[in-house]
Amino acid sequence: DGGITQSPKYLFRKEGQNVTLSCEQNLNHDAMYWYRQDPGQGLRLIYYSQIVNDFQKGDIAEGYSVSREKKESFPLTVTSAQKNPTAFYLCASSKSGGPNQPQHFGDGTRLSIL
Amino acid sequence: DQQVKQNSPSLSVQEGRISILNCDYTNSMFDYFLWYKKYPAEGPTFLISISSIKDKNEDGRFTVFLNKSAKHLSLHIVPSQPGDSAVYFCAASTFGGATNKLIFGTGTLLAVQP
Repeated sequence: DGGITQSPKYLFRKEGQNVTLSCEQNLNHDAMYWYRQDPGQGLRLIYYSQIVNDFQKGDIAEGYSVSREKKESFPLTVTSAQKNPTAFYLCASSKSGGPNQPQHFGDGTRLSIL
Repeated sequence: DQQVKQNSPSLSVQEGRISILNCDYTNSMFDYFLWYKKYPAEGPTFLISISSIKDKNEDGRFTVFLNKSAKHLSLHIVPSQPGDSAVYFCAASTFGGATNKLIFGTGTLLAVQP
């Protein structure tokens, strides 16, 4: 079955620690995205990548970093510079970064601070 | 500045009746609109979309209507089923920035009563 796999489902971070959230897709999609969801809010775009070895900042990129070395993988690192990292993180992909392309989502990673 | 608004945080409907979820937007450059359904602790699932060149798109029990002059779209679910109970997000995008960047509303919680 094709889809998007995010791991782990739950993650705990200590103060001052960097953590990396995994996102893998086997849909052969070119474009991948990371969103953050906070209670009572819509999804906000952190970073996106339209093609391998290229990525762009979204609306709330501060304190986060990404890489796109392989088409299937788009890991997100939450750095210690992100002062309020507790949230539900969602990874998505679309066939291309072009217009009229629905994005398909993984099941998310919930990050909490110890 | 919230460009995509879902003004009803919740909606309760009887099984078999019609559910109507509403969404307003402010950016006239949006040209593609989507509806997603989300269960707790899962990622959003793509439901249906509509391009700005259309005013209606139908897929089974789901129909999306777009009123460009009013900058308003709605999702109709007929007949509503208990399994439809979830949070529904509308989203919009514009190709103006050459990316498939989605802007999400804050969601409406639909409860379908048996």
